[in-house]
Amino acid sequence: ETGVTQSPTHLIKTRGQQVTLRCSSQSGHNTVSWYQQALGQGPQFIFQYYREEENGRGNFPPRFSGLQFPNYSSELNVNALELDDSALYLCASSFRQGAGGELFFGEGSRLTVL
Amino acid sequence: DQQVKQNSPSLSVQEGRISILNCDYTNSMFDYFLWYKKYPAEGPTFLISISSIKDKNEDGRFTVFLNKSAKHLSLHIVPSQPGDSAVYFCAASDWSQGNLIFGKGTKLSVKP
Repeated sequence: ETGVTQSPTHLIKTRGQQVTLRCSSQSGHNTVSWYQQALGQGPQFIFQYYREEENGRGNFPPRFSGLQFPNYSSELNVNALELDDSALYLCASSFRQGAGGELFFGEGSRLTVL
Repeated sequence: DQQVKQNSPSLSVQEGRISILNCDYTNSMFDYFLWYKKYPAEGPTFLISISSIKDKNEDGRFTVFLNKSAKHLSLHIVPSQPGDSAVYFCAASDWSQGNLIFGKGTKLSVKP
């Protein structure tokens, strides 16, 4: 059984560019969530996907979008990057929709926007 | 407006002693609480959880206490070990939401 894996682990972009982060969920998990962790903060919920459809969204603008695929992988896309988007982006998978259950996190993708 | 607060950014404890990490919350709708541990360059890993119908949950050296009237929970680690040195996040949820609300974390250092 493989865990949650994310790629890339580190990347640097410039303001205004677009970025795609990828996540491979733990086998058998049908729900994937993305979190943003800024320096010195706890993870903040971006959105959740369940069976390939968005199922909840945090306080993030539409330029943050995502996809979930049938093979359990998912993507986080961020358009028109801003300096404040610099953060660790965490993908988490789980067995069921909704919180109240354990989330399994990947190691994260650290994005730096210059 | 932080719904989950960890007011101590750091805590230093001697090996073998008790570590107590605290967490306060404001939303009375929260009915499930979790603690995650995070080492540098790794994602958070689940440690222990508690449902709002309980006031204590124990797993080995780790015990979580919930005081609903005070909207307060704490994580006790006994005895503390140097390998416990990490950032600990408190998180909360309610069943109507599909996400966890995290605190800012407390960095625990256990000194040999």
